[in-house]
Amino acid sequence: DAGVTQSPTHLIKTRGQQVTLRCSPKSGHDTVSWYQQALGQGPQFIFQYYEEEERQRGNFPDRFSGHQFPNYSSELNVNALLLGDSALYLCASSLPDSRGGTGELFFGEGSRLTVL
Amino acid sequence: KNQVEQSPQSLIILEGKNCTLQCNYTVSPFSNLRWYKQDTGRGPVSLTIMTFSENTKSNGRYTATLDADTKQSSLHITASQLSDSASYICVVSRDNYGQNFVFGPGTRLSVLP
Repeated sequence: DAGVTQSPTHLIKTRGQQVTLRCSPKSGHDTVSWYQQALGQGPQFIFQYYEEEERQRGNFPDRFSGHQFPNYSSELNVNALLLGDSALYLCASSLPDSRGGTGELFFGEGSRLTVL
Repeated sequence: KNQVEQSPQSLIILEGKNCTLQCNYTVSPFSNLRWYKQDTGRGPVSLTIMTFSENTKSNGRYTATLDADTKQSSLHITASQLSDSASYICVVSRDNYGQNFVFGPGTRLSVLP
């Protein structure tokens, strides 16, 4: 059973460029959440996708956008990159818990983005 | 302000020893508290999830406790192994949905032979 997979694992961009990160959820999971983790800090919630729609969003600018496909895979797009966007971007998949909320999160290995 | 604080920031112990990591939170409302282990450069892996009514939950050599009255949690690691070297992150959920997970900064544990 494949876990959460993310691509690419590492990438380097320059300021002003655009980047697309990809995530395939754990088999059977229908919810995908994206997080940004700066070095030495805990992950910060970007947004969550469920049934191809953005269900909730954290405190990130509109430069951060996403998409979920019918097979539940997801993309994170960041436009007009800034130096401060350099971070590990984590994708987590989950199923609803017994109360309809987010169950256990299964994280991918992350995509390390460096903006020069 | 909804915050999760963890202590110590880093910890070094010898293999075979026990240790306890602390998590204090001011998150409200409270839905559940999760502990994750994150190896360097890897994604976090879930260790335990505790709801308001649960005081203790174990996962092998890991035992988490929760005091919802004082808003404190601890993660106790028994008979540490070299593979326990990692960051341990405390996450408090404000409701049932992932967008309201508040992550702590983590405690960096190093286990030496």
